[in-house]
Amino acid sequence: QKEVEQDPGPLSVPEGAIVSLNCTYSNSAFQYFMWYRQYSRKGPELLMYTYSSGNKEDGRFTAQVDKSSKYISLFIRDSQPSDSATYLCAMSDTGGFKTIFGAGTRLFVKA
Amino acid sequence: NAGVMQNPRHLVRRRGQEARLRCSPMKGHSHVYWYRQLPEEGLKFMVYLQKENIIDESGMPKERFSAEFPKEGPSILRIQQVVRGDSAAYFCASLPGANTGELFFGEGSRLTVL
Repeated sequence: QKEVEQDPGPLSVPEGAIVSLNCTYSNSAFQYFMWYRQYSRKGPELLMYTYSSGNKEDGRFTAQVDKSSKYISLFIRDSQPSDSATYLCAMSDTGGFKTIFGAGTRLFVKA
Repeated sequence: NAGVMQNPRHLVRRRGQEARLRCSPMKGHSHVYWYRQLPEEGLKFMVYLQKENIIDESGMPKERFSAEFPKEGPSILRIQQVVRGDSAAYFCASLPGANTGELFFGEGSRLTVL
């Protein structure tokens, strides 16, 4: 079993849709949860960052962490064609610097 | 404030040759990670370094791969006697040292082995 599981998609939605991206994990020691966005042939860029459980909102993006279920989500409201990219969930444990990434979900937002 | 700089962006090598990938972290960052990304796959951790120290190399193949981060100059990922399976994108990331796991990535170096 992988430490982090993420459906690779692809996920195709119409412009304006609400997008839900998810990851599950097995290591209960993870405390820091991130979402990275990666455009084609570019480096990943940090999108959202959450410590421990709870929700965090930033504009059209909302990140949720449910540590009891070992499940994290990223919601994108009013999706735009410019949101088309690969979204990677990532997590690391307290005291450790090694960040583990999911496989990434490819998202296509159609105009 | 320059971001993480990687070079070369593209590198072509024949089987058996050596590949050297360089990474300059963001200013003020003292920690460097190297990740490998295969097509349609996520980022696989390879090695974590601080200046002059290898902290964690558990993700790096035991043979042919080595990494360093000298006191002066960029971090270098070295792959000796490359094989076709080494073809991938190699990403470097840096962080300032705080224990958050928040990584700042470079644009990557794409290695093609013929």
